[in-house]
Amino acid sequence: DAGVIQSPRHEVTEMGQEVTLRCKPISGHDYLFWYRQTMMRGLELLIYFNNNVPIDDSGMPEDRFSAKMPNASFSTLKIQPSEPRDSAVYFCASSYGRGGDTIYFGEGSWLTVV
Amino acid sequence: KQEVTQIPAALSVPEGENLVLNCSFTDSAIYNLQWFRQDPGKGLTSLLLIQSSQREQTSGRLNASLDKSSGRSTLYIAASQPGDSATYLCAVPGSSNTGKLIFGQGTTLQVKP
Repeated sequence: DAGVIQSPRHEVTEMGQEVTLRCKPISGHDYLFWYRQTMMRGLELLIYFNNNVPIDDSGMPEDRFSAKMPNASFSTLKIQPSEPRDSAVYFCASSYGRGGDTIYFGEGSWLTVV
Repeated sequence: KQEVTQIPAALSVPEGENLVLNCSFTDSAIYNLQWFRQDPGKGLTSLLLIQSSQREQTSGRLNASLDKSSGRSTLYIAASQPGDSATYLCAVPGSSNTGKLIFGQGTTLQVKP
């Protein structure tokens, strides 16, 4: 398998613009996670899905953030409007079975909002 | 609320040394503990997963131990190599049966040739 695939790998956008990050989990995995990594706060879970259904979105910082998983092979994380403080690396990850089992990360989307 | 701490934040050793990275967690009722490696500009790679019923796991030169009662885990790296240079993170589930992992801040390791 190709692993978890994220796009874009790098994005620079202006404040106020909409940003859409995309993720393709590993085939057969039923859990999908969106994490954000910053120097100040480390790795934080934003939201996770089980069988395409959002289970816990308590980490989503504001209404400007939204995530969807329309099918088992695709998820999006959208920021609208984007702000400079949203600059971070956004990781998508997936796992099979009960949460807490071995989790596989994508290589991240490096977002800079200027 | 579960908190995960890793000490030291950074470590520099000469090639060939054996070393230990430390991870502590505040709530001992964990389901499992994972150690990850992160290379600069890359995602995280799972190295070892220790279930709560286990005391250690080994993979090659890596050995991870788990002591739930004291809220500690260690990652032992034998005969370190420059290719081991990376950031190592430990993580535990936020509760016993969820995918919400709580990560430590990581230990950045540099192995000098």
